[in-house]
Amino acid sequence: AQKITQTQPGMFVQEKEAVTLDCTYDTSDPSYGLFWYKQPSSGEMIFLIYQGSYDQQNATEGRYSLNFQKARKSANLVISASQLGDSAMYFCSTGNQFYFGTGTSLTVIP
Amino acid sequence: GAVVSQHPSRVICKSGTSVKIECRSLDFQATTMFWYRQFPKQSLMLMATSNEGSKATYEQGVEKDKFLINHASLTLSTLTVTSAHPEDSSFYICSAPGQGLYGYGYTFGSGTRLTVV
Repeated sequence: AQKITQTQPGMFVQEKEAVTLDCTYDTSDPSYGLFWYKQPSSGEMIFLIYQGSYDQQNATEGRYSLNFQKARKSANLVISASQLGDSAMYFCSTGNQFYFGTGTSLTVIP
Repeated sequence: GAVVSQHPSRVICKSGTSVKIECRSLDFQATTMFWYRQFPKQSLMLMATSNEGSKATYEQGVEKDKFLINHASLTLSTLTVTSAHPEDSSFYICSAPGQGLYGYGYTFGSGTRLTVV
């Protein structure tokens, strides 16, 4: 079974600052993908970014980037230039979407 | 982009009644739909996987007779909570695979908040 660990239940960041949300995973699959999702208070899950285990470069999508350290089995999400609208729950997930971390609640402070 | 339309967004029902939740894929065909349950301030837990034209696959501990899943067409999957009880109150959300950016990621419905009174 796969396991996803998000050790930060809550995080605060000042508007326009960068923030890193941690995610570690445990899998025996030789090839896998890692996903990050945002869940606002309205409930929908919004796909943010994907990292393949064999990708040589860290994934980036706009203000989102993934700090992927394969040997350490970590895939931390970095949000640059935080905005008030970034306040939400953030979930890390692995390939087949069966497993999600417990989430991190991010609050952006004006 | 791909959209999964989920209805209703909120429902309140009396204990003992049944509630049907629908997830429709718009502008794409969803041969597979995942159904999740999420309790307040907790993560998503996969309940079952529905496949068009075949029986759903349920995760361990999920009652098949209580959570009926039907995937009768390539664009519609339904979850029926039968004989609902207060402990079934939760946030239910569906997702279809492979419709996110560059084909990765899953497209989620907007979720259904079920309250059983």
